[in-house]
Order: sequence, then structure tokens, then C-alpha cells
Amino acid sequence: EPEVTQTPSHQVTQMGQEVILRCVPISNHLYFYWYRQILGQKVEFLVSFYNNEISEKSEIFDDQFSVERPDGSNFTLKIRSTKLEDSAMYFCATSGDREETQYFGPGTRLLVL
Amino acid sequence: DAKTTQPPSMDCAEGRAANLPCNHSTISGNEYVYWYRQIHSQGPQYIIHGLKNNETNEMASLIITEDRKSSTLILPHATLRDTAVYYCIVRVDAGNNRKLIWGLGTSLAVNP
Repeated sequence: EPEVTQTPSHQVTQMGQEVILRCVPISNHLYFYWYRQILGQKVEFLVSFYNNEISEKSEIFDDQFSVERPDGSNFTLKIRSTKLEDSAMYFCATSGDREETQYFGPGTRLLVL
Repeated sequence: DAKTTQPPSMDCAEGRAANLPCNHSTISGNEYVYWYRQIHSQGPQYIIHGLKNNETNEMASLIITEDRKSSTLILPHATLRDTAVYYCIVRVDAGNNRKLIWGLGTSLAVNP
């Protein structure tokens, strides 16, 4: 069964550093999403991406965040200057069509010190 | 904010059916109900979804009331591996965008 994969599984970084989280979507999927989950809290929508541009972003997704699909396969989330409150699990999700089910990757656990 | 409310926790005996309720009284006519589950802090796993009709797949059944204001996820024969947090989600459709708005879910404990 096709799966969404994410790398790295864990990332520890110093406050103020840049991090890039990577996602490999299911083949032929065209709609991409990032969500995050702070420990013990709800899963929160960050951003949706289609046709090489952002479709929608939440209030959380400020100027420190960016997404791109640099090589036609990986879908990345960059946090330019990490803050302590960015510590969370970050989940990538993809779907084949706008109306289709979103399938989630295993997540990247980000810890900002 | 989430458009769904669920009990925070439930218990179920292994081998018995687990019935997880969800209220979504403000759901709009074209909004789908999705169920996902999350084991520990793993990635959310899709279970099932529906619009108006009851649905069944290899994992579960979804019963949606006629007025669509509530639904029930049924795991017919719960196993210990079904212990997880179960999320009932109304997918919010706005123009071309589709996003999942999550609540706190129901923590299901399947007991031996």
C-alpha cells in the first residue's frame, strides 16, 4: 500500500536556526498539506499546496514558514528562524484530488532548544 | 474551531464492538464526515468517511443519522491494537480548499 514518508523522523535544533522538513507524497498525488501537533494538543492545519502554489494557510503559517516542491517529488516545509513554540510533531498529508482522502505521513518530531 | 464534539474517553472489551459517537449539529449539506485515528504520536490513520449514507469498509462502519447531526463509528470486533485516539472530523470546504479541522477526539482503551 502506498505511503507518505517524512524525513527526518526527529530533529533537534537551536532556537533561531533554520529547519527543513521533507515529505515524499504518494505517487500521483497532487494536493499537499502540512499540519502540526503540539504535545498533548489538537492537530492543527498549517497550509495546503497545489500546482506549485499555496491554496490556503492558517494564522500559524506566518512569514517564518514556507513550503515548496523543489524537484517535483519532495514537498518541504521550511521554518526560517525557529522558536521554542515551534516544537511539535509536523505531519505531511497528501491527496490525489481535492475531493479525495488526505493520507498522512508518520510525522517529524521537532524539538527547539 | 472544530465542528464536532466527542466524549473524551471510552473503554471497550477486547472482541466486543466499539461504538464511538460524534455530534456535528452544524454540519453543512455538502460537508463530509471523516474518521481518523492516532496511535501514540504516530501519523493519523484514515479509517472511513461519509456524506449521507452509511458506509462500511474493512476497518469499520460509519452510521450517519438521517438529519446528519451525528454519527457513530463502529469497530465490530475491537482488538488491543485498536487502542488509539479516534477523531471525528468535518471536512471544511471553502472554494477550492479542503482542510481538516481537528478536535480532541475520543481516547479509546480496549481492555483484555
